[in-house]
Amino acid sequence: AQSVTQPDIHITVSEGASLELRCNYSYGATPYLFWYVQSPGQGLQLLLKYFSGDTLVQGIKGFEAEFKRSQSSFNLRKPSVHWSDAAEYFCAVGVDSSYKLIFGSGTRLLVRP
Amino acid sequence: DTAVSQTPKYLVTQMGNDKSIKCEQNLGHDTMYWYKQDSKKFLKIMFSYNNKELIINETVPNRFSPKSPDKAHLNLHINSLELGDSAVYFCASSQVKGLQETQYFGPGTRLLVL
Repeated sequence: AQSVTQPDIHITVSEGASLELRCNYSYGATPYLFWYVQSPGQGLQLLLKYFSGDTLVQGIKGFEAEFKRSQSSFNLRKPSVHWSDAAEYFCAVGVDSSYKLIFGSGTRLLVRP
Repeated sequence: DTAVSQTPKYLVTQMGNDKSIKCEQNLGHDTMYWYKQDSKKFLKIMFSYNNKELIINETVPNRFSPKSPDKAHLNLHINSLELGDSAVYFCASSQVKGLQETQYFGPGTRLLVL
């Protein structure tokens, strides 16, 4: 069965520090991969996506993610975190031609001043 | 202009009541979705409609009935509300291009059943 694992429930980083949020997926076919961000009390905003091609994808707000097929991973990175990045981050894999998104359980990012 | 909008934003109601949540998208997309986010932030798809036709119907109690009057709208009606229905419900839409599409989410409707 398809699944997405985000092993870190919470991550705390200092403002200005680098960030990496982990995501591993289980899916037999070529995955369509997404990262969404949810600010407190808000909906989900798409950060970036991977469908094919270059395995390093750039997103909004300075985020990037790298698809590694050998590790079944799609980790999200940012070189320098801002206080406004504090939010919940969700990794998702699209199955059945992306009609259905399977979400991970989310990682809450806390930013220390 | 909001791309995917939901009403109401908050809904507090008693057990046993019937309620509806409305969703509208102005992106011209042909596919719409309902997701449920529980208290642990876990998001799970409930339904998906493509051109007003139901294409995904996950294991959801039949008290939940989606209705799509046109491509731009997908409403969710819930009968006989239960405490466990308390959650945040997100609507989303997408336009399938070949096998690839991106889903855009609404702001969510926070439902509390007392």
